[in-house]
Amino acid sequence: EADIYQTPRYLVIGTGKKITLECSQTMGHDKMYWYQQDPGMELHLIHYSYGVNSTEKGDLSSESTVSRIRTEHFPLTLESARPSHTSQYLCASRTDRGANYGYTFGSGTRLTVV
Amino acid sequence: GQQLNQSPQSMFIQEGEDVSMNCTSSSIFNTWLWYKQEPGEGPVLLIALYKAGELTSNGRLTAQFGITRKDSFLNISASIPSDVGIYFCAGQLGANSKLTFGKGITLSVRP
Repeated sequence: EADIYQTPRYLVIGTGKKITLECSQTMGHDKMYWYQQDPGMELHLIHYSYGVNSTEKGDLSSESTVSRIRTEHFPLTLESARPSHTSQYLCASRTDRGANYGYTFGSGTRLTVV
Repeated sequence: GQQLNQSPQSMFIQEGEDVSMNCTSSSIFNTWLWYKQEPGEGPVLLIALYKAGELTSNGRLTAQFGITRKDSFLNISASIPSDVGIYFCAGQLGANSKLTFGKGITLSVRP
C-alpha cells in the first residue's frame, strides 16, 4: 500500500486558475521531491526539500512554488495555470537513514489546463 | 549535466522470453536504481545497487552495477504479461545528490 499520497489524481482546470497539488507521506522522510513528467518521457525535477522550511528549485524551470511547513506535507502551487502546465506531476520522498536510498513515489496528479 | 542513456525506446517480446535492458552514462554514479512505471501510476522501485560490480536479484529480475560505475543492466527472465510498463534507470552520485533519470524503455509482452 502507498505511504505517499497525492491528491487529486486527475484535475482539469481553466487557464488562470490557482491550484495546489497535495503530497503527504507517512514515513517520516526528510527529503521530498516534485517531478514533472510528460507522457512517455523521463522525469524532470522541478522542486525539492531536505527538511522543514527548506525548499530548492530543481533542474527544470517551473512557474510553480512549494512549501514545507511540516515534515509530512509538501504541496505544490501554481498561481495562474496555463495550458503549458498540462503534465503529470509526481511527488517522491526518501530518507538517508539505513542503507536504502531509494525514492518512494506517489501515484501522481495528471493536470490538464484548458 | 549528467545524462543517462536508455535504448531502444521500446521493446516487444514474447511471453516467456528473457529481456535485458542497458543504461549507460558519460559520468560515474555511486548508486543505480531501476524503476518500473505502469500507466497512470508513479514509478515503483525494483532494485537498488550501491556498489560497483554488485549483482542483485528480485524474483525474476536481476540487475548489475557496472564495474566502471558508468553503466547498469536489468534482466527480466521468463517474462509475463504483467511485466508490461516503462522501465527507468536512475543514477545518483552521492547521498545528497539529485537523482538523474533515463528516458525509460517501454516494454510490451505478447501473450
